[in-house]
Parts: sequence; structure tokens; C-alpha cells
Amino acid sequence: DSGVTQTPKHLITATGQRVTLRCSPRSGDLSVYWYQQSLDQGLQFLIQYYNGEERAKGNILERFSAQQFPDLHSELNLSSLELGDSALYFCASSAERWVAENYGYTFGSGTRLTVV
Amino acid sequence: DAKTTQPNSMESNEEEPVHLPCNHSTISGTDYIHWYRQLPSQGPEYVIHGLTSNVNNRMASLAIAEDRKSSTLILHRATLRDAAVYYCILSAYGQNFVFGPGTRLSVLP
Repeated sequence: DSGVTQTPKHLITATGQRVTLRCSPRSGDLSVYWYQQSLDQGLQFLIQYYNGEERAKGNILERFSAQQFPDLHSELNLSSLELGDSALYFCASSAERWVAENYGYTFGSGTRLTVV
Repeated sequence: DAKTTQPNSMESNEEEPVHLPCNHSTISGTDYIHWYRQLPSQGPEYVIHGLTSNVNNRMASLAIAEDRKSSTLILHRATLRDAAVYYCILSAYGQNFVFGPGTRLSVLP
């Protein structure tokens, strides 16, 4: 157990629907990161939050949004789902705002989203 | 983003050492070298990181070339559990991790 908790582990939904993925960071970590991993794209950085505020944006679609709550858990909202959104979605956390000089990220075990 | 180049795949026999190479010819002086691995059906996990000097921990060793344009992750005795995708990542202050395709390591019994 890495200490980063993601729920649900699996999600199957239909095209056009909206889903919410949840992430609880490791105790004491202030930064939360979301990554998408599909077969043809590898691990793609989506967005980072630090202590409730958005800090960095990657390849996140406009149909996707995220937030980090006062208790530091984060939610990734995916709407108007398409078949191509089927992927593994990983959440990671770190203690600091930037991680280059320390141990980096701790990843959760992911949520597997299947859009049918 | 700083770029790294790794072989797509490598094979090793169980209980033998494994040397996973990574080229990063455009590395800057403040870039850290991180290695992560991703076991099947799991999220990536930290393996080791360094800046200029070689590093050792309980999982692996990291050998960094003197000019820092390449590095090698060394698994001293591969086990079946080490079969994974290994990612070499450069990270600088203010930048998030960018994962490339990595090296898929197969360990043969």
C-alpha cells in the first residue's frame, strides 16, 4: 500500500456520461497530480494541485476538470465521455510543491475507466 | 521538457545483474535523474534518483556518467518480481515529471 488511495478501482460507463474519480493523498502530502495512461499514449500528465490551488496543467481536455478540497483529497471529473477516454487514471502525491530534489511522487494504484 | 532515450525492451535471466541504460544528452546542470518502475496493473513506483554522484539504495544502484549525458540503473540480482517497465526521467525545479515509453524488462526464470 503506497498510502495514496484511489476510488473506484474500476468504472464502466457509457459514452456521453460523466464520472468522478477520487484520490486521497498520502498523509502529509500537499501536492496531488493526475496522470492518464492509455495503450497508445503512455503516461500523460493532466494536472497538479498544491494545497487546494491549481499549479500546473498538462494535456487535460476541456471536458475534464479537477479540484483539491480543504482536506487535500482531489477529484477528477470527466464529462461527455468518449470511447477514447478509456484508460487508467493515476493519482500521485508529494509533500512539496516541486519534487526534483527529493523522492518525487507516490502513485496510487489507479482507476481503470472503460467507456462503452 | 528534457528528453531521455531508453531501449524499448530488455531481457535478463533471473539472479543475474541487469544494466538499464538511459541517454539524456540535453540534460542541464540542475536536472535530477529519476528512475521509476511500473509493475503490471500497478502505478509507477520510485526506484532511485541522483544529481551527479552514483547512488545506492536497497532496490538498485544508479551510475551517472561524468558528463551526465547518460546514466545506468543497475539491478544487482534480477528476480521475477523485477519484470516491469522502467522509466528514466529528468526533473528540474518547477517542472513536473514527463514519462517516456520506458524500457520493458523481462526476467526469464
